[in-house]
Amino acid sequence: DGGITQSPKYLFRKEGQNVTLSCEQNLNHDAMYWYRQDPGQGLRLIYYSQIVNDFQKGDIAEGYSVSREKKESFPLTVTSAQKNPTAFYLCASSTDTVQPQHFGDGTRLSIL
Amino acid sequence: GENVEQHPSTLSVQEGDSAVIKCTYSDSASNYFPWYKQELGKGPQLIIDIRSNVGEKKDQRIAVTLNKTAKHFSLHITETQPEDSAVYFCAASLQGAGGTSYGKLTFGQGTILTVHP
Repeated sequence: DGGITQSPKYLFRKEGQNVTLSCEQNLNHDAMYWYRQDPGQGLRLIYYSQIVNDFQKGDIAEGYSVSREKKESFPLTVTSAQKNPTAFYLCASSTDTVQPQHFGDGTRLSIL
Repeated sequence: GENVEQHPSTLSVQEGDSAVIKCTYSDSASNYFPWYKQELGKGPQLIIDIRSNVGEKKDQRIAVTLNKTAKHFSLHITETQPEDSAVYFCAASLQGAGGTSYGKLTFGQGTILTVHP
């Protein structure tokens, strides 16, 4: 079955540590996105990529970094510069940026 | 930038009743309005969407209406069932032809819908 796979489902980070969240899709979608979800709030865009080897900052990119070396993969690194990283992170993809976005099941990141 | 307000934040109904969730948006240029359903521990699932060239769209028990003049759109669920219980999000974006404009989604804050058997 085609879909978006995020791993791990739960992740713990120590202070001063960088962590990388995985997002893989086999839908042959060109566009991929990373969102952050905090309790009682809507989703906020961190980064997006319209095509391989290209990505753009979203609304809350500070403290995060991404890469898009392959069409099917869009990993997100939460760096030590992100002072409040505890959140639910969601990856999405779409055929292109004018088509509906479909989401993975998220990674919950917590600070030890 | 775009701002989306969603109401109510919580909604409780009896099985079989209808549920209505409303959203308002600020950018009159927005032309695409999806609705997502999110179950606990899962990612949001697209349930219906509407583009600004239509005023209403239906899919079985779910419908969405759009009033461009007032800049608001609503989700209507009829004959609610316990499995409809979830968090629902509206969103708005401006999408350009030919993929030249990035369709950034701005989300509402979400509505927790509880359907009691």
